[in-house]
Amino acid sequence: ETGVTQSPTHLIKTRGQQVTLRCSSQSGHNTVSWYQQALGQGPQFIFQYYREEENGRGNFPPRFSGLQFPNYSSELNVNALELDDSALYLCASSFLGDSGNTIYFGEGSWLTVV
Amino acid sequence: GNSVTQMEGPVTLSEEAFLTINCTYTATGYPSLFWYVQYPGEGLQLLLKATKADDKGSNKGFEATYRKETTSFHLEKGSVQVSDSAVYFCALSDLVNTGTASKLTFGTGTRLQVTL
Repeated sequence: ETGVTQSPTHLIKTRGQQVTLRCSSQSGHNTVSWYQQALGQGPQFIFQYYREEENGRGNFPPRFSGLQFPNYSSELNVNALELDDSALYLCASSFLGDSGNTIYFGEGSWLTVV
Repeated sequence: GNSVTQMEGPVTLSEEAFLTINCTYTATGYPSLFWYVQYPGEGLQLLLKATKADDKGSNKGFEATYRKETTSFHLEKGSVQVSDSAVYFCALSDLVNTGTASKLTFGTGTRLQVTL
């Protein structure tokens, strides 16, 4: 049990639609990151939020956006969904300043785009 | 950029066999190294970590030693169980661009199947 919770666990969307995924970070963690894991692949870093601002971004287009709230919960929004967006989306929380850089993951949200 | 290379799977072993999953990395500086495990249909769980050269991470009978000279972080277990069947990911932490954000770079994962 990592203390990171995500919702929904599974969802199906149609190409072109928009989706919002939600995450509640582990207590005491001030940083939240999102990763995309395609089937059979390792997770890929999408972006990170710290103090409610984007603090770093991977190689993902602007239609992937996010929010972090004062209670450190977070949302991942994806606009104009494409078939290739079908993946497991993982939320991860950590404490910026932790020299060990330990990152804890939630169970993930499975997104299927049809 | 930084990268992680893992041995191809699947790895199939009999219960009580010795396990090695190879992991090598390419990185600037000295990143922290991790092994994560993913059971079917679940998210990632941190298995063990090492933050500097020659550190040994260990947990649940699994071990891995941070080898700077060979840029490796191989995962080992002396006697596997059926319940160890999962996908194992090697990862390193590095900075996003030149900022303060830290992210994980993962290998492609190695599937382990343990049979009776």
